[in-house]
This record gives sequence, structure tokens and C-alpha cells, in this order.
Amino acid sequence: KAGVTQTPRYLIKTRGQQVTLSCSPISGHRSVSWYQQTPGQGLQFLFEYFSETQRNKGNFPGRFSGRQFSNSRSEMNVSTLELGDSALYLCASSQRTGNSPLHFGNGTRLTVT
Amino acid sequence: GQQLNQSPQSMFIQEGEDVSMNCTSSSIFNTWLWYKQDPGEGPVLLIALYKAGELTSNGRLTAQFGITRKDSFLNISASIPSDVGIYFCAGITGANSKLTFGKGITLSVRP
Repeated sequence: KAGVTQTPRYLIKTRGQQVTLSCSPISGHRSVSWYQQTPGQGLQFLFEYFSETQRNKGNFPGRFSGRQFSNSRSEMNVSTLELGDSALYLCASSQRTGNSPLHFGNGTRLTVT
Repeated sequence: GQQLNQSPQSMFIQEGEDVSMNCTSSSIFNTWLWYKQDPGEGPVLLIALYKAGELTSNGRLTAQFGITRKDSFLNISASIPSDVGIYFCAGITGANSKLTFGKGITLSVRP
């Protein structure tokens, strides 16, 4: 069974640009969550999607948005990039039945210059 | 909000030694998870615990769900160099299955 796939693995953008990251969950998983990971802040929850609906949202500005498609694939978008948005963005999928654990992809490393 | 406390931030051990990591909270969790993250990769699920008092092993790893449901620990026995990485605990609670992560412990193993 293929794991969670994130593309691209690396991105370099300049301030003010926007970026779209993609995530394909494990087959059969309908929930997709996004996390931002930085050395100082650890893993910070961005949002969770289930059946194309945003179910939970973290404490991030509106520049961070996401969506989920009918095949459970998800994208997240960051507009008007700032230097502080440089981070590893991790996508995780789960079956979201009861307390099913998250399974993570290898992330997209975003560098904003 | 809910917080999971993992300390110390870094641990240094000698190859072959056992190591224990704790994760504590003032909140009750229904599920405890332990993840390991290698450099440049995403966290990988090591052990999932679903019941208070549950003790689960995965090879050289053993984890327990505290009976108060407010803590968990992970033991690694006979450490090897590839155990190096960041170990995160995570807890799930509530009807929304909200997941909370600790800040992680970076483990270094000296050969």
C-alpha cells in the first residue's frame, strides 16, 4: 500500500509570491491534515479535511488555505508569502474512525527568500 | 489549550543503553501515539495505545498508556545508531478526534 505522497519535496519562493502544495493520502483514507514544522515551534496544526469539508482549523492567518477533492487528494495554498513561512509542511492522512492515528508524508520543504 | 510536555529537549546516550521518554499532560487523552522523525522525512508511527494501562511493544520499543490517561512513556532498549531522531508523543481526545503533539525529544546515540 503506497504511503502519503507529497509534492513537490522542495520549493524556493520569494516574498509576496504564492505557493500550492499537494498531498495524496493513503488509499482508503478520507481525512487529510496539514501541519507546519519549524525548529522553534515544533508541529503546528494547520487544518483537517474530511469528505471535502474542512473539519478543524488551527491558528494560522487567512493566507493559509486548503481544499480536498472528491478522491481525497488535498492541496494547501499560501498566498503573499513571508520569510517566516519557511518551514517543512507535512500532510497526514487517516481513516478518521474513532481514534485512528495519522500517517505522515515526507513533507514539502518551503524556503522563502 | 491542551499541551503535551516532553522533556528534556535532547538526550544523549551510549549505544547499547536503554532510554526512557515521558510525555505528560494536565488533560486526559483517549489515545496516545508515539512517532519518530528522521532528518528530511516525515514522522513515522511507532506505537499506538488505545486503553489506559495498555503496554505495547514493537521490537525494542515499549510504550505504556498511563492509568490516569494523562501520561505515556516510551522505552527503547539496547539502543543502536539508527535510533537517532526526534521522538514525538501525540494524544487524541474529544469527539473531533483532535490530535495534540509534544515538541519532541531529539535522541543522539554515541557509538
